[in-house]
Amino acid sequence: EPEVTQTPSHQVTQMGQEVILRCVPISNHLYFYWYRQILGQKVEFLVSFYNNEISEKSEIFDDQFSVERPDGSNFTLKIRSTKLEDSAMYFCASSGGEGQTGTSTDTQYFGPGTRLTVL
Amino acid sequence: AQTVTQSQPEMSVQEAETVTLSCTYDTSENNYYLFWYKQPPSRQMILVIRQEAYKQQNATENRFSVNFQKAAKSFSLKISDSQLGDTAMYFCAFMKAAGNKLTFGGGTRVLVKP
Repeated sequence: EPEVTQTPSHQVTQMGQEVILRCVPISNHLYFYWYRQILGQKVEFLVSFYNNEISEKSEIFDDQFSVERPDGSNFTLKIRSTKLEDSAMYFCASSGGEGQTGTSTDTQYFGPGTRLTVL
Repeated sequence: AQTVTQSQPEMSVQEAETVTLSCTYDTSENNYYLFWYKQPPSRQMILVIRQEAYKQQNATENRFSVNFQKAAKSFSLKISDSQLGDTAMYFCAFMKAAGNKLTFGGGTRVLVKP
């Protein structure tokens, strides 16, 4: 069964450093998302991406964050200058592929997450 | 803005028994979608069940079923014949019909005891 994959599973970085979190969405999916979950808190929406551009972003997704689909398979989240409060689990999700309606309301399938620790 | 509330932080159930998780939400939308996701200790978010608000019939997926009460804005999840593998964090989530982001509740931790 197709699945969303994410690398690395755990990333440790120093405050102020740039990090890139990588995701490979399910093949043929059209919509891509990033969510984050600070330990013990709710899962929060960061950004959605469709047709090579951001379709929606949250207040959390400020200028320090950017997303990119550099090729036909990868979807990345870059944090330009990490802060201590960026420590969280980051989940990638995708939707809108074969077997679904191909719209933004299709069920989102999540990757296993990347745990980011900022020291 | 939509909000999703899960009032039970933790629940325990004996293996083979039934447990019901509550979820309420607040929205002014008429058309929307509701979901239950499971997050086991591995931390991966796994879809359990999905409900379209325009459908009156409650969704069912094997041992998992929902009680969707649109007027009350309630969306509870029933796990029947609980199994040890059901031990996980369960999140209720909302999506507008015209939107694409999920709004999650705070989660309910379910522990299935042998």
